[in-house]
Parts: sequence; C-alpha cells; structure tokens
Amino acid sequence: EPEVTQTPSHQVTQMGQEVILRCVPISNHLYFYWYRQILGQKVEFLVSFYNNEISEKSEIFDDQFSVERPDGSNFTLKIRSTKLEDSAMYFCASRDLDSQNQPQHFGDGTRLSIL
Amino acid sequence: GNSVTQMEGPVTLSEEAFLTINCTYTATGYPSLFWYVQYPGEGLQLLLKATKADDKGSNKGFEATYRKETTSFHLEKGSVQVSDSAVYFCALGGSYIPTFGRGTSLIVHP
Repeated sequence: EPEVTQTPSHQVTQMGQEVILRCVPISNHLYFYWYRQILGQKVEFLVSFYNNEISEKSEIFDDQFSVERPDGSNFTLKIRSTKLEDSAMYFCASRDLDSQNQPQHFGDGTRLSIL
Repeated sequence: GNSVTQMEGPVTLSEEAFLTINCTYTATGYPSLFWYVQYPGEGLQLLLKATKADDKGSNKGFEATYRKETTSFHLEKGSVQVSDSAVYFCALGGSYIPTFGRGTSLIVHP
C-alpha cells in the first residue's frame, strides 16, 4: 500500500538555525498538510496546500514557516529561525480528493529537537 | 467553528476487557468522522471512518457509530489486547481543515 514518507526521522538543530523537513506524499494525492504535535499534547494543524499554493493556515503558521513543493514529489516545511518551542513531532499528510469523506494519510513524522 | 472533544486518559484496562472511548463533536453541516491510532514512536494511522449519520465504521475489532442526534462517535472494542495500547484520536473531516481531538491514551495490561 502506498504511504507517505518523511525524512529525517529525527532532526536536532541549534536555536536560530533554519530547518527543512521533507515529505513525499502519496503520488496521486492532491492535498497536502503539515501538523505538529508537541510532546503529550494534541495534534495541531499548521497548513494545507493545494494546486501549488497554501489553501489554509493556522495562527501557528507565522512568517517563520513556509512550505514548498519544489518538484513533482516532495513537499517541504521550512522553519526559518527555529525557537525552543518549535520542538515537536511534525507530521505530513496527504489526501487524494477534495472530499471530507476521504481520510488523510499520515507519515511517521519527524521529531524536531531544538537545542 | 468545528471542534472535537474526547474523554481524557489514560484509560487503563486489563486484557480482554471492554473498551469505550467517548468522542463528541461540534460542526456545521454533515462532516465525516474518523478515528486514528498512534502507536508509540509512530505516526497516525486511520483506524476507521463513517461518512454519514448511522454509519458504523469498523476495523480490527474496533467499531464506532456516527450518531447525529447526540453528535457522538464513540470508539468501542469488545475485548482489548496488549497490542492495542496506543493513543487514539477522534477527528472531524471539515471542508478545509480536518479537526482532531486531544487524543486518549489506552494502556492494556496482560
């Protein structure tokens, strides 16, 4: 069964540094998402992306964050200048149709640790 | 706006016990409802879904029925196993932004 893949599985970065988290969504999917989960807390929506542009974003997704689909397969999340509070699990998800009946398929996540 | 409320955990059970994890929602329209499971160290996996009122989603012995009158989608399993230990998330499929509950941790002891 096709799956969403994320790399790296764990990223350790110094505060203030830029970090790029990578995701390869399922190939025929059209909608892409980033979520984060701070340890022990709920899954928080960051951003959704469709047709090469952001369709929705949350208040968490401020100017320090950006997303890109640089080629036909990768979907990246960039944090420009990381803060300690950015430490979390980041999950990528994709969905194949613009239908609320279709579930999102999630990757296994990238654990981001900011020192 | 849309919201999902789950019972707080952890829920601790002995193997073969009956499980219920409550989930209620607030939404405009008629959203689809999902249960996701997160095993330790892994991402979220779809467990089951229901797309309209009175639908019952089921998978791996878990069931949940979409109850429009009570705006609920409670997760049940008749006999839990140690391998069911995980965090379970109830989620609402909205027009744009799917909404997740806070998650309920299930711990099953042998």
